[in-house]
This record gives sequence, C-alpha cells and structure tokens, in this order.
Amino acid sequence: GAVVSQHPSWVICKSGTSVKIECRSLDFQATTMFWYRQFPKQSLMLMATSNEGSKATYEQGVEKDKFLINHASLTLSTLTVTSAHPEDSSFYICSARPHFKPGQGPPDGYTFGSGTRLTVV
Amino acid sequence: GEDVEQSLFLSVREGDSSVINCTYTDSSSTYLYWYKQEPGAGLQLLTYIFSNMDMKQDQRLTVLLNKKDKHLSLRIADTQTGDSAIYFCAEKVGDYKLSFGAGTTVTVRA
Repeated sequence: GAVVSQHPSWVICKSGTSVKIECRSLDFQATTMFWYRQFPKQSLMLMATSNEGSKATYEQGVEKDKFLINHASLTLSTLTVTSAHPEDSSFYICSARPHFKPGQGPPDGYTFGSGTRLTVV
Repeated sequence: GEDVEQSLFLSVREGDSSVINCTYTDSSSTYLYWYKQEPGAGLQLLTYIFSNMDMKQDQRLTVLLNKKDKHLSLRIADTQTGDSAIYFCAEKVGDYKLSFGAGTTVTVRA
C-alpha cells in the first residue's frame, strides 16, 4: 500500500532557530500534500495544502512566512518552521494524495505520515 | 474541525462492543472516514463510507450513516486492548480536503 515517510519523528530546537520537516511518498507520486498541526488531545488542524510545482495554499490564520512549505517534486514536500518559538511546539503531521484526475481518486487516497513532535525550548 | 463533532471519551470492557458517534454539517460530503491514531503516531485509515450508503461492514467494524441527521457511527465488535486509541471521524469537503472531529479516546479495560 501507499507509504508516507515523515522525518524527523521528533526534534528539539532552541527558540529562534528554524526546523525543517520532510514528508516523502515512498511508492507513489503525490500531486498534493497536506500539512496538519495537532495540539495535545485535540483534532488535526489543516495548515496548508501544497501542490507540486506551485505555491502552497494556506488556511486562514496560518502565517505563510512562519511556516514555509516547499513541494519541489512529486515525492517530497517540506515544512520549515522559521524562527521557532515555544508556542510552535506541537505535533505536525503530513498526508499525501496520489495523483488522480480532478474529481477522481479512491476514497482511501489519503496516506498519513507518522508525525513529527516539535519541542521548542 | 468545528464542523465535525464527536464525543471525547469512551471506556469499554474487553470483549464488549464499542460505539463511537459523530455528527457532521456538510451535506455535500461524498465520503466519510474513520481514522485511528495510536500514541505518538500518525493516522491510520480504518474504514470509510460513501454518502449513498447506509451501512458498511468490514470484519469487526460496522459503519452506520444517517444522512438525514448527518450522523455517523463506528461500531467495533469484540473490542480488544489493541483497540485503545484515539478515533477520528472525518468528512471530505470539496475535492480533497478532510475536516476532522476532535477525536474520541477509547480506553479498553480488562
């Protein structure tokens, strides 16, 4: 089945530094990848949708200069948390959607990575 | 996530059935999903149902959909300790976005 690899699994960084999280589709091409943020005991909040070769679409309230998304290839999307602060500490999860024509695609076409626990100290 | 609501906690005895309920608001949703999240891990798709179906059964899992009331439920038969996890209900919004509920923490006790 489709596998999405997310790296690193956890990271601790100092306040003011930047952290990059990678999301790779291992056995399929992902036209679209999604980045979510999850606070403890809460749901997943969609941060942005990244499409290969174009700018990411950010959800309302998400700072695009803070959370830089790059989807340079059909198998890799990266999320960079710039100038991280303790309030950015969270669990970040990516998901990838295989390439299908608009309106098509299997209902189970969303594969999630295993998540990245970011702690900013 | 506010558009999808589900109860936050469920405690069930091992061997009993678990029922997790969810309500959603988008009547145009084509697919509804149930995902499972174990501690520190990503989301695993458990099952899904197409909006023109009322019920779907997959081994120990039964999904019921009441489209009129926008109510979705997941029944896990013969609940095991390995079923302890957070279960998320999600609806497909538009072409590809998923909107998640807050998750139901299921605790299986011996």
